Amino acid sequence: DTGVSQNPRHKITKRGQNVTFRCDPISEHNRLYWYRQTLGQGPEFLTYFQNEAQLEKSRLLSDRFSAERPKGSFSTLEIQRTEQGDSAMYLCASSGDGFYGYTFGSGTRLTVV
Amino acid sequence: QKEVEQDPGPLSVPEGAIVSLNCTYSNSAFQYFMWYRQYSRKGPELLMYTYSSGNKEDGRFTAQVDKSSKYISLFIRDSQPSDSATYLCAMSAIDDYKLSFGAGTTVTVRA
Repeated sequence: DTGVSQNPRHKITKRGQNVTFRCDPISEHNRLYWYRQTLGQGPEFLTYFQNEAQLEKSRLLSDRFSAERPKGSFSTLEIQRTEQGDSAMYLCASSGDGFYGYTFGSGTRLTVV
Repeated sequence: QKEVEQDPGPLSVPEGAIVSLNCTYSNSAFQYFMWYRQYSRKGPELLMYTYSSGNKEDGRFTAQVDKSSKYISLFIRDSQPSDSATYLCAMSAIDDYKLSFGAGTTVTVRA
């Protein structure tokens, strides 16, 4: 297992289009997290899953955002009707029981033009 | 006011110097404290993890937590050019798996 994998690495989309990102966590990790990071800022929490259950969502996660983790394996984050303010790095992370910090993926950089 | 405050720097030091980084926080419920290193266009990488107050050392890195002052620190000894990165502090409360991050401090170690 080589860590947390995120695809695509980069995505350029036109305003108003829908985009979907994928995250494959470390296989034995039961918790999966999505964060958003803008330039010069630390990551901000969006949502997290324990197995297939979405346990918490930030108020940052508007109705245009939806995340899923079918069967408790990989996860997808979809943004509908993208806006320029959605431009950011979207980071996925995973952790196991005991919570000794997260392992982050390399992120998906979204640019909305 | 942000829940976690971190001076963004930038910080520039000569090779071999000690790098000192710190964060302050306002939420007294925080019990887990972490430092992450992030290279440009990469995801954060966990460097140090501590629970509650005290010191932890790992090689050239030392993390300190002072809960009474709501203040955490990271020291990097014998700094190397490869230590040039952004360093993020992060913390969470017990049974709360989401992390609150500082804005990150950008460090450059000059050869």
